[in-house]
Amino acid sequence: DGGITQSPKYLFRKEGQNVTLSCEQNLNHDAMYWYRQDPGQGLRLIYYSQIVNDFQKGDIAEGYSVSREKKESFPLTVTSAQKNPTAFYLCASSGDSLGNEQFFGPGTRLTVL
Amino acid sequence: GNSVTQMEGPVTLSEEAFLTINCTYTATGYPSLFWYVQYPGEGLQLLLKATKADDKGSNKGFEATYRKETTSFHLEKGSVQVSDSAVYFCALSLNNAGNMLTFGGGTRLMVKP
Repeated sequence: DGGITQSPKYLFRKEGQNVTLSCEQNLNHDAMYWYRQDPGQGLRLIYYSQIVNDFQKGDIAEGYSVSREKKESFPLTVTSAQKNPTAFYLCASSGDSLGNEQFFGPGTRLTVL
Repeated sequence: GNSVTQMEGPVTLSEEAFLTINCTYTATGYPSLFWYVQYPGEGLQLLLKATKADDKGSNKGFEATYRKETTSFHLEKGSVQVSDSAVYFCALSLNNAGNMLTFGGGTRLMVKP
């Protein structure tokens, strides 16, 4: 089945540590996105990539980094510079036809201890 | 800029009640409009979409009509079920911005038996 997978589902990290969240898609989509969701809040865009080897900052990129070496993969690293990293992180992808929706993964809940 | 405004929740209804969740938008071009649903602890799922004025999107008993004159895309369902309890997000994308989504803040729906 085609879709987006994120791993792990739950992640715990100590303060000061970097952590990488995985996002993989087999939908053959060019564009991929990372969002952050805080409790009871909407989604905020962290980074996006419209094509392999290219990515752009979203609204809240500080303290995060990404790479896009393969079309299928768009990992997000939460660095120690992110002041408040505890949140629910969602990855999405979309095709390049206009009006196409984004498809979302199941999310990773990151908790900093 | 572009923005989406949704009615604040939570919206609490009894089973079989009629549902309306208001959504209005501001956009510099001609957007495509979407409703996504998020069940607890999960990612977002596309519920329905409309890509041009007067289009009606529908799925699982939910409907929304793209009203250009009122810049609205209100979500309706004639008879809600307990299983419809979730958070609903209205979103838009612009044809000149790829498939980048601008989200509303989300509306939590609680349906009581």
